[in-house]
Amino acid sequence: DVKVTQSSRYLVKRTGEKVFLECVQDMDHENMFWYRQDPGLGLRLIYFSYDVKMKEKGDIPEGYSVSREKKERFSLILESASTNQTSMYLCASSPRTGPSLTEAFFGQGTRLTVV
Amino acid sequence: QKEVEQNSGPLSVPEGAIASLNCTYSDRGSQSFFWYRQYSGKSPELIMSIYSNGDKEDGRFTAQLNKASQYVSLLIRDSQPSDSATYLCAVFQYSSASKIIFGSGTRLSIRP
Repeated sequence: DVKVTQSSRYLVKRTGEKVFLECVQDMDHENMFWYRQDPGLGLRLIYFSYDVKMKEKGDIPEGYSVSREKKERFSLILESASTNQTSMYLCASSPRTGPSLTEAFFGQGTRLTVV
Repeated sequence: QKEVEQNSGPLSVPEGAIASLNCTYSDRGSQSFFWYRQYSGKSPELIMSIYSNGDKEDGRFTAQLNKASQYVSLLIRDSQPSDSATYLCAVFQYSSASKIIFGSGTRLSIRP
């Protein structure tokens, strides 16, 4: 089975702190994604990566950065946490096969609260 | 216009009936389509994927795709209380960098 593991299930940070959310997948997937999920807004794509050291902005990249130094690990960085970044953060990975993507597999999510 | 649109619900269906969930998308170049189920406090899990026009059946679930109308749906037959969840429609967009875009989800409630 595909396993996507996020480093923390719950996290509480102070405003202005630099926050690292880590995600590791064990299936050698090329693509990795970071989403945030808020009530009524669904999953919104923050950043994604289709290869090591490659990254692309999603729909809401402001206030975030990412790092992908190894294929299995994709980190989301909040440079200076703010209260409006309080959310559920979901990491996902998917293989790249032919011209189409197959489905994304999700980690268990990190509920981040910024106080 | 949102890229992937779903009715937020809640959709209430009696146990044993058919639940019908709908999704429209804006990018005509979209190639792959997915339905995820998400229980409260949990992460989404894939229940169906569909890539070509027509119907695809898997147990009690049927996904339907109509690319001309930019429409994808999910039917759940013989609805069970355990089907109560939020259902997310997701679309793969092929562009310079491929990505998966989600709708905001439809909350489904199966009443006894």
